[in-house]
Amino acid sequence: AQSVTQLGSHVSVSEGALVLLRCNYSSSVPPYLFWYVQYPNQGLQLLLKYTTGATLVKGINGFEAEFKKSETSFHLTKPSAHMSDAAEYFCAVTSSGGSNYKLTFGKGTLLTVNP
Amino acid sequence: KAGVTQTPRYLIKTRGQQVTLSCSPISGHRSVSWYQQTPGQGLQFLFEYFSETQRNKGNFPGRFSGRQFSNSRSEMNVSTLELGDSALYLCASSPGSPGVITEAFFGQGTRLTVV
Repeated sequence: AQSVTQLGSHVSVSEGALVLLRCNYSSSVPPYLFWYVQYPNQGLQLLLKYTTGATLVKGINGFEAEFKKSETSFHLTKPSAHMSDAAEYFCAVTSSGGSNYKLTFGKGTLLTVNP
Repeated sequence: KAGVTQTPRYLIKTRGQQVTLSCSPISGHRSVSWYQQTPGQGLQFLFEYFSETQRNKGNFPGRFSGRQFSNSRSEMNVSTLELGDSALYLCASSPGSPGVITEAFFGQGTRLTVV
């Protein structure tokens, strides 16, 4: 079975500060990892994904994440927070084994950006 | 290219009733997945359909069912509604080719309230 742990249900940063949202996964097979963002009363929007290849993945809106197999982590970062980044962020995992699509999500991290 | 369309956006039902939610995937996508999102349980996988066949199913009671039509549109049905079924129901579409993992694109969701 796969699982995702997002450390910190709520992260608060100042505008212009570094954003770091933590995600650790558990998977017995090579994982495929995703970060999604959700704004109030909206669906999920994909920020970035890791499937295979380069472990540093760049996404939209200046976000990036690094896949670290040894640490089973896929933390999301952004060098400088913007007010518009305030939202809830979800890390998700799936694998090529079995059927697609069955994403397993973390509980989410609510990001607050203070002016 | 049009995104994933879910209808209706909001729904209020009474306990014991049944409800049908609809999802139109991105043109050309053959996989449709459904997720339930609640504050307590987070995002949970309901089921996935590919070419009119259910490929995967989550741990939900039999009151939750779905189907997919030949044009890839999907519906999910919940019978004998309970208060605990109040949630945001999200539909996701992806190309779905077996063994190929790509990102899932989510709709804006249907907010179901059971009173």
